Amino acid sequence: GNSVTQMEGPVTLSEEAFLTINCTYTATGYPSLFWYVQYPGEGLQLLLKATKADDKGSNKGFEATYRKETTSFHLEKGSVQVSDSAVYFCASGYSTLTFGKGTMLLVSP
Amino acid sequence: DTGVSQNPRHKITKRGQNVTFRCDPISEHNRLYWYRQTLGQGPEFLTYFQNEAQLEKSRLLSDRFSAERPKGSFSTLEIQRTEQGDSAMYLCASSPTGGGSEAFFGQGTRLTVV
Repeated sequence: GNSVTQMEGPVTLSEEAFLTINCTYTATGYPSLFWYVQYPGEGLQLLLKATKADDKGSNKGFEATYRKETTSFHLEKGSVQVSDSAVYFCASGYSTLTFGKGTMLLVSP
Repeated sequence: DTGVSQNPRHKITKRGQNVTFRCDPISEHNRLYWYRQTLGQGPEFLTYFQNEAQLEKSRLLSDRFSAERPKGSFSTLEIQRTEQGDSAMYLCASSPTGGGSEAFFGQGTRLTVV
């Protein structure tokens, strides 16, 4: 079946550090790929998406590139802020989504 | 439009009781999804509707669970004879189309079975 594996957290960084959260998936065919973010006390929000190979999704300084060769969709940001502290979920799917377990990011001033 | 709305936000029930949750999707979104999320895990798919038709159900959805979307607008998720293992956050999401469209999530209903 489909699955998504993402790096375990928490990831702890200082403000302005570079962020990478790894995500790999297994699926039949070429599903769409997503990163969702969940801020404390809030619901899941779509952060970015990519619908086909080599697409790059980007939003709020975050980026991720759909790599079919490595079945990966790693999330990156060049300079994190304290306000980026949240739980990040990688997901794949066509209509229904398969999520990873989530990675908590903690950014300190 | 205020986004996906779920009610109640919290529900505490005794084991063996029935509970029902409601989800109001974003207007004109024809797809509606139910997911379940437990602590430290990502959301797990339960079922989804396109308009009023229930198109897919996960094997996670036991016979005690039933979902409806009678007029293709709001949806209800009922759990009969609740068990402690049903304690979780129940998430509803909607999307305008299938296949590659992002889903917009509500804030969820947190169920605690005591």
